[in-house]
Amino acid sequence: EIVLTQSPATLSLSPGERATLSCRASQSVSSYLAWYQQKPGQAPRLLIYDASNRATGIPARFSGSGSGTDFTLTISSLEPEDFAVYYCQQRSNWPRYTFGQGTKLEIK
Amino acid sequence: EVQLVESGGGLVQPGGSLRLSCAASGFTFSSYSMNWVRQAPGKGLEWVSYISSSSSTIYYADSVKGRFTISRDNAKNSLYLQMNSLRDEDTAVYYCARPGGEDYFDYWGQGTLVTVSS
Repeated sequence: EIVLTQSPATLSLSPGERATLSCRASQSVSSYLAWYQQKPGQAPRLLIYDASNRATGIPARFSGSGSGTDFTLTISSLEPEDFAVYYCQQRSNWPRYTFGQGTKLEIK
Repeated sequence: EVQLVESGGGLVQPGGSLRLSCAASGFTFSSYSMNWVRQAPGKGLEWVSYISSSSSTIYYADSVKGRFTISRDNAKNSLYLQMNSLRDEDTAVYYCARPGGEDYFDYWGQGTLVTVSS
């Protein structure tokens, strides 16, 4: 099983600041990595797929990078609606997808 | 508009059974594979099961293999998850999720809560 480890567990920032979230895979997943955003009581929403491609309707302030085992989700300037939990997911071992444990982005 | 609506969750005793349903609309259901993903209270996401568009290929997570059965009825635009021999650790919100062209989950239902407790 491919294990995804996200860091930090919690990130405290203010609106307007830049957020950098990390996801590390236990073995190479090539570029087969996605990022999701989840708000309380809601289903996850796909933000980024194949490491760096924004999903339909996702604002340009969200960007993804990385390949192999190390990936980053960057939010260039935080908006109030961006405070949520973020998960990475790999599909390298399709269809046995695995998710990271999540990073909670909270308002400082 | 794509919609996925789960139902069938509830409280069940350990060792019991439950059948979840997911009603799909707004897209050609028979053309898409489907998945179940769960989330224990306050925890992360866990992929549970996959079924191909024609039901010819099915996969399960090791944690549910032999206890859960995924199925679909393309004529009824519906996805199912039969859950038997339920355990405390199966307590979670269960989501049905549709993969998009790149095999990531671009549409999710609102989830249905399954609570396994005596």
